[in-house]
Amino acid sequence: GAGVSQSPRYKVTKRGQDVALRCDPISGHVSLYWYRQALGQGPEFLTYFNYEAQQDKSGLPNDRFSAERPEGSISTLTIQRTEQRDSAMYRCASSLKWPLQGASTEAFFGQGTRLTVV
Amino acid sequence: KQEVTQIPAALSVPEGENLVLNCSFTDSAIYNLQWFRQDPGKGLTSLLLIQSSQREQTSGRLNASLDKSSGRSTLYIAASQPGDSATYLCAVRDNFNKFYFGSGTKLNVKP
Repeated sequence: GAGVSQSPRYKVTKRGQDVALRCDPISGHVSLYWYRQALGQGPEFLTYFNYEAQQDKSGLPNDRFSAERPEGSISTLTIQRTEQRDSAMYRCASSLKWPLQGASTEAFFGQGTRLTVV
Repeated sequence: KQEVTQIPAALSVPEGENLVLNCSFTDSAIYNLQWFRQDPGKGLTSLLLIQSSQREQTSGRLNASLDKSSGRSTLYIAASQPGDSATYLCAVRDNFNKFYFGSGTKLNVKP
């Protein structure tokens, strides 16, 4: 597609339920990133992939959070047994594989998924 | 761990003014620095990207500079317009492909 697409745009869920957030990166971008943004703050790193390989998951808050990208394209961020403190904007970004000599490594972000846990 | 700070947190200026947004970072071992614009309910729009070997980048009324050794970047906006009102985020990319964001500067340009 033309840009990074995230779905759903808004998600309200009850505490204790599992949620799955989807990210469809820009075609041809092999690096995909997940970030979480609290109100009034900048995005914070969760995890990232090169192709289907999860390169770094050090930002995932705890083991209720997981992410996958099985075919190296679409990615899913799953939160199990949601808690109110998980409420935030979840942002996905993609870029051409880094490092790549002479190519742009600009990252492009989707519109995000606003998750509210009630 | 890389820490990114943006000053000021908020700025209100009359239309037509030139203005400077500041970004500082604690670890100078960066791969690049990217400035984004965030509008309410929308995604982050990339404005400018500066590679670690570069000193500045320009796009229209925007100019971003980078002084890696001192851990600073500035975003200069010339002849500000009400449509420039948004939150501006600075993001530093380290050599392990991880971005660190500041908390942003919320800009309001009054007509």
